[in-house]
Amino acid sequence: GAGVSQSPSNKVTEKGKDVELRCDPISGHTALYWYRQSLGQGLEFLIYFQGNSAPDKSGLPSDRFSAERTGGSVSTLTIQRTQQEDSAVYLCASSPLNGVTEAFFGQGTRLTVV
Amino acid sequence: AQSVTQLDSQVPVFEEAPVELRCNYSSSVSVYLFWYVQYPNQGLQLLLKYLSGSTLVKGINGFEAEFNKSQTSFHLRKPSVHISDTAEYFCAVINTGFQKLVFGTGTRLLVSP
Repeated sequence: GAGVSQSPSNKVTEKGKDVELRCDPISGHTALYWYRQSLGQGLEFLIYFQGNSAPDKSGLPSDRFSAERTGGSVSTLTIQRTQQEDSAVYLCASSPLNGVTEAFFGQGTRLTVV
Repeated sequence: AQSVTQLDSQVPVFEEAPVELRCNYSSSVSVYLFWYVQYPNQGLQLLLKYLSGSTLVKGINGFEAEFNKSQTSFHLRKPSVHISDTAEYFCAVINTGFQKLVFGTGTRLLVSP
């Protein structure tokens, strides 16, 4: 596709359930980021993938959060045993590694834990 | 670790007045700098970027920013704002070693008539 695609756009889940959020980056982009944006808050860095290097997981808030990137393309962010404080918009972005490191953002997944 | 500081969480301004949104970063190495804008209920889009060259960068919608290496700042300015500029503005930095993109906490610009 032409841009970064995220699915689902909205997700309502019950507390304690697991959820998977998907990100399809722009084709050819080697860098992929996940951020979390809570109501009235800034962009909280979660995880960063760059090519075949080990991901930077330093922003993951707890061991309930994990992410993988298969084949250097699609990424899945998994939240296990969701809590109400996990409610937020989860944003994915990708960028090329060619010296012009502008990141392109998807529209996000709005997660609501009830 | 890199960090970005946007001291003003909210900036109220009247239409047609000038505005400056402040951004400071912490880094002793070469960096790329960005301003992103998020209009209400929309995704983030790039406003402008500094990669190299001229320290004054012009972006979309009449915004510009100036890179000041000695002060590690990248303040965003517009000489005359419109109601439609009401949005959240995020400053971001990445070092040229291609480490992760770090964002500030954002500044909400509120333009009133």
